[in-house]
Amino acid sequence: NAGVTQTPKFQVLKTGQSMTLQCAQDMNHEYMSWYRQDPGMGLRLIHYSVGAGITDQGEVPNGYNVSRSTTEDFPLRLLSAAPSQTSVYFCASTSSGGGRDNSPLHFGNGTRLTVT
Amino acid sequence: KQEVTQIPAALSVPEGENLVLNCSFTDSAIYNLQWFRQDPGKGLTSLLLIQSSQREQTSGRLNASLDKSSGRSTLYIAASQPGDSATYLCAVKGSSNTGKLIFGQGTTLQVKP
Repeated sequence: NAGVTQTPKFQVLKTGQSMTLQCAQDMNHEYMSWYRQDPGMGLRLIHYSVGAGITDQGEVPNGYNVSRSTTEDFPLRLLSAAPSQTSVYFCASTSSGGGRDNSPLHFGNGTRLTVT
Repeated sequence: KQEVTQIPAALSVPEGENLVLNCSFTDSAIYNLQWFRQDPGKGLTSLLLIQSSQREQTSGRLNASLDKSSGRSTLYIAASQPGDSATYLCAVKGSSNTGKLIFGQGTTLQVKP
C-alpha cells in the first residue's frame, strides 16, 4: 500500500528555472493538497483540490500552479523559481476534505527544494 | 484568524515517563483537531483525530483530549519509549470547504534510554 508518493525527494534549482513536483495517491481520495513547511512558519496550504478537474488556492498560492486531471495525481508547478520558495513541500490527501469530513490527512514524505 | 500554539517547543524525558504535550487554539469554532507525528526527513503521520463533539480519543499508549470552549488539547503519552522521539504537531480544521488545517509549530520530543 503506497499511500501518497512524492517525487523527487530532493531538488536544487537556480533562480528562474521551472519544475514540477509530482504527487500520486492510490487510496482513491477525492481531496488532495500541497503544503510547504518552513522553520518558524509551520505548514501552510498552497493549493488544494476537491476532485478531478477542480482546484483552488490556499494560503500561499503565488508562484505555484496546480492541475488535477485524474483522481490519483496532483502535480505542483513552480513557474519561475525564487529563493523564497526554498522549503520542504508536502502533498496530502484525504477522503473528501470538505467542511464535514472527519477523515485524517495522509501525507507524503516530502520534497526538499533549494533555490539558489 | 485562527492561531495554534504548542508549548513547549522541545522536551527531553527519561524512558518510562508519562508526559503531556499541549496545544492551544484561539478560535473555538473548529470541526476537528488532529495530532500528527513527524520523524526527521519524513512526512507527517496522523496519530489521533478528535471531532469537535468528542472529548477524547485513545490509541494504544496515546490519549488526546479536547476542550473546545477553552481552546485546548493535550496529547498524553504513557510509558514513553525512545521510539517515541519525534516532533508532534497539532492541527485544527475549520468548517470551510477548503479542508485547510492550521498547524502549530510542533513539540520536539526526545526520550532518553
